Amino acid sequence: DAGITQSPRHKVTETGTPVTLRCHQTENHRYMYWYRQDPGHGLRLIHYSYGVKDTDKGEVSDGYSVSRSKTEDFLLTLESATSSQTSVYFCAISDSLNTGELFFGEGSRLTVL
Amino acid sequence: GQQLNQSPQSMFIQEGEDVSMNCTSSSIFNTWLWYKQEPGEGPVLLIALYKAGELTSNGRLTAQFGITRKDSFLNISASIPSDVGIYFCAGQNSNSGYALNFGKGTSLLVTP
Repeated sequence: DAGITQSPRHKVTETGTPVTLRCHQTENHRYMYWYRQDPGHGLRLIHYSYGVKDTDKGEVSDGYSVSRSKTEDFLLTLESATSSQTSVYFCAISDSLNTGELFFGEGSRLTVL
Repeated sequence: GQQLNQSPQSMFIQEGEDVSMNCTSSSIFNTWLWYKQEPGEGPVLLIALYKAGELTSNGRLTAQFGITRKDSFLNISASIPSDVGIYFCAGQNSNSGYALNFGKGTSLLVTP
């Protein structure tokens, strides 16, 4: 298994509170991604990173920010959580941008009340 | 994102049966991939296809990259209970900065 750890794995929070999800990898892969998974929508890209301090927006980036200060860590922040951000969040890593071969973490289930 | 239409949405089959699912798009992709997700886990890559017309096998799984580059199919032969899960197709091209576009998944249930 690729060394990817997501934390927390489960979180319940209230609308308006800030939330940070962490993804940690031990594979030294250059590229890291945050996806959200919702019934009827499949997996949608939120943000991705192509190096330390280098990030870009994905399809559903509104309401989310990311940071990558070290190769191994990629943080996803919801500045002010809303109920529409209730979802399962997956981190993924890859060592190439154009092969599509991603290794996914186990997911973080976030519930916003 | 570029929309991928995956069918069927769900399948309920008996152990030993063959399974076929497909994915179509209005966009051309340079890469087609198939992932499997089991309950409580992240998706795992099954097969990656990089060339139009390519047919690739991984054990009992066979996938093809359509000639038009707008479709792909996945076959599972002689299904077993551990094949249960959600199967996702994904396409990639340079138009979206190489971001993967995922289908909505095919849920497979296999009864012993």
